Amino acid sequence: AQSVTQLGSHVSVSEGALVLLRCNYSSSVPPYLFWYVQYPNQGLQLLLKYTSAATLVKGINGFEAEFKKSETSFHLTKPSAHMSDAAEYFCAVSDRGSARQLTFGSGTQLTVLP
Amino acid sequence: EADIYQTPRYLVIGTGKKITLECSQTMGHDKMYWYQQDPGMELHLIHYSYGVNSTEKGDLSSESTVSRIRTEHFPLTLESARPSHTSQYLCASSAPLGGNLNTGELFFGEGSRLTVL
Repeated sequence: AQSVTQLGSHVSVSEGALVLLRCNYSSSVPPYLFWYVQYPNQGLQLLLKYTSAATLVKGINGFEAEFKKSETSFHLTKPSAHMSDAAEYFCAVSDRGSARQLTFGSGTQLTVLP
Repeated sequence: EADIYQTPRYLVIGTGKKITLECSQTMGHDKMYWYQQDPGMELHLIHYSYGVNSTEKGDLSSESTVSRIRTEHFPLTLESARPSHTSQYLCASSAPLGGNLNTGELFFGEGSRLTVL
């Protein structure tokens, strides 16, 4: 069965600084990988997804993530944080052999300091 | 923009009341899901459906029930609400896995925040 581990339940960065949110996965087969963002009192919105094409995936709002099979990682980055990036971020894995769709990580709360 | 809708967005009720949270999607997705999420916490799958007349319990035990009589509609019901049911409930849908376009991503509604006094 697949699983997802997000290191750091809370991350704080200064406005303009690099954002790095970590995600490691385990899967018995090559996975699809996703990052979702959740703003307060809202549902989850897809940021980006890896589907076995390019290993560097670009998403919305300037975010990108790199799939590294050797490290079983799919870390999310953004070169320069903006105040509007403050939100909860969830990594998720979809095991192609699973009928249950996505398995979510426990989430990382990003705080952007002025 | 996802076409999945949840009502009500916010609900405050007293203990013992029966409530139904509505979820509708216009994307023709066969698979639909209910997640429960406490503030600042991870998502827990409580129900899912693969299609009409198909419902299964998820990873987290829940006293709620669901039905799937129509493809687009997946309501969640609590027969007798208790304060322990206070949480945010998120509905989602997806196209099936397989093919180049269907990667299993979920489309979420905006959530229903339930408070039971």
